[in-house]
Formats: sequence, structure tokens, C-alpha cells
Amino acid sequence: DVKVTQSSRYLVKRTGEKVFLECVQDMDHENMFWYRQDPGLGLRLIYFSYDVKMKEKGDIPEGYSVSREKKERFSLILESASTNQTSMYLCASSMPGSLTETQYFGPGTRLLVL
Amino acid sequence: ILNVEQSPQSLHVQEGDSTNFTCSFPSSNFYALHWYRWETAKSPEALFVMTLNGDEKKKGRISATLNTKEGYSYLYIKGSQPEDSATYLCAFRNAGNMLTFGGGTRLMVKP
Repeated sequence: DVKVTQSSRYLVKRTGEKVFLECVQDMDHENMFWYRQDPGLGLRLIYFSYDVKMKEKGDIPEGYSVSREKKERFSLILESASTNQTSMYLCASSMPGSLTETQYFGPGTRLLVL
Repeated sequence: ILNVEQSPQSLHVQEGDSTNFTCSFPSSNFYALHWYRWETAKSPEALFVMTLNGDEKKKGRISATLNTKEGYSYLYIKGSQPEDSATYLCAFRNAGNMLTFGGGTRLMVKP
């Protein structure tokens, strides 16, 4: 079974702090994704990566950056956390190349910025 | 940004009731439609991927249909059980690699 793990289930940070959210997958997937989920809005894509050291902006990249130094690990960075970044953050991974490419998700990190 | 909508936003049913909900998506540049189930405190779990107009998929008491010409998919749950309580997400894929998610339908099944 594919396993995607996220470093924390819950985080509380203060405005202005630098925040790192870590994601690790164990299936040698090439693609990795970071989403945020807010009530009524569904999952919105922040950034994705299709290879080591490669990154692409998603729909809402402002205020975030990412790092992919190793294939299995994809980090989301909030350089200076703000209260509007309070949200549920989900990481996913997939192997590209087929019509039925499925994304496999981690359990999410619920971040509260005070 | 593509528009993927799910209705209703939430749904309360009694154990044993059958239920269904809808996902609507753009009918052009269709590639695939995904359904996920997301239980509280767990990871979203893939239920179905459908690619062809008229596709029907079934997994136990849950089934889904796809109409790509008119841009909708239905998810059906027969004889709902409390363990079916979850948020059901649909996601549309066009020719790119990306999924666009709907807002989800939150289902609560009362025993």
C-alpha cells in the first residue's frame, strides 16, 4: 500500500513565524502535491513537483514556498505565517503517465496561526 | 480556474436509507473523473476513477456513473451505514496533470 505521511497532525504557530510542513511518500512516486482545504472550498492546489528540485505553482502559491531535495520528501514552507493561512494542509503523491493516475493523500496537518 | 461543483454540501440520512449526490464539471477537455472518500482524522481514499462517457463503477454498496457530454457524475450509496459517514470529494482531470476538486459532500448517517 502507498503510504504518505505528514510530520504533524496539529500545529499552532504565531503570526510571523516560519513554518515547515513535511511530507514523505514511500512508493517512489515522481509527482508530489500540496493542497489546502477550507470549509466549502474543496482542496486547492498550492504547489506541485514532478521531479527532484522541480516545482510548479498551483492555484494559490502566494505566501508559500516548497522544497524537494529528495524524491520521497516534499516540504511546504510558510516564510512568515499569517492568520489567513490557518487551514488543513494535505500532501499527495502520484505516479504520472496514465489516464487513471490516482493521487494518494497523507492524513493532513491542521495548522492554526494565532 | 475550472469550476467543479458538488451538491448537496451536506446530507443527513438514517441508517438503511439509500442516497446519492452529484458532481458537475466542465464538459470540454475531459480526461478523467475521480471520487474520493475522506473520513474524519484519516487520509482521503480513492474510490473510483472514470474515464469514458457512460462508465459505471461499483464497490460494495457504493456506485458511480459518469456523463461526460453533459458534465456530471452521480455517486450512489445503497443502504447507508454509519461507517459511510465521510466527506465525498470529486475531482476533474483535464489534459494536464492536475486535479480540480469540488467542495465535497459531507454525509452523516444516523444509526
